[in-house]
Amino acid sequence: DTGVSQNPRHKITKRGQNVTFRCDPISEHNRLYWYRQTLGQGPEFLTYFQNEAQLEKSRLLSDRFSAERPKGSFSTLEIQRTEQGDSAMYLCASSLARAAEAFFGQGTRLTVV
Amino acid sequence: TQLLEQSPQFLSIQEGENLTVYCNSSSVFSSLQWYRQEPGEGPVLLVTVVTGGEVKKLKRLTFQFGDARKDSSLHITAAQPGDTGLYLCAGARPNFGNEKLTFGTGTRLTIIP
Repeated sequence: DTGVSQNPRHKITKRGQNVTFRCDPISEHNRLYWYRQTLGQGPEFLTYFQNEAQLEKSRLLSDRFSAERPKGSFSTLEIQRTEQGDSAMYLCASSLARAAEAFFGQGTRLTVV
Repeated sequence: TQLLEQSPQFLSIQEGENLTVYCNSSSVFSSLQWYRQEPGEGPVLLVTVVTGGEVKKLKRLTFQFGDARKDSSLHITAAQPGDTGLYLCAGARPNFGNEKLTFGTGTRLTIIP
């Protein structure tokens, strides 16, 4: 399978704990995006990378959130001191620069209890 | 403020009927994508439209991009239970210095056998 891969698929954590999610994009794609989706809503943009450079961050990305893409390959999204409001589906997508289409992974469902 | 408004939000119809869902905005987009999302999964890309007035067909699905590139529609002919899902439109505005996709809130479609 050469699509976008996200791990883990599901994560349950206690409030206050830190969590980290991983995304492996389609290998030749140089752009990588993180989105968050809550129940009944469309995905909301969090941040995106072109190669290893983080080019844009949403206001939704508070100081507790950090994303990295070392060497322009896989990416990680870390949430520190999780809150119940962080419960959501976290989606990763990748695309070629200058291409219109983004391809999504299956997402990581985070539940903060 | 939601940049992309989708209507209807919910639609439940009998198998074999036709339907149209709409995606509207006051902003111009360089391209617009339609995705379908199943529960617990990431969005799957259906089509990308780029040129104002463009029409694309994918089997029983017909997608149209408005002449002014501000709106789009998805028409399904002879709906089948397998068409059930959340349909999301997403616009990109790279010509305006905004690389990310902005999603609508989605149309949840249920086809009743």
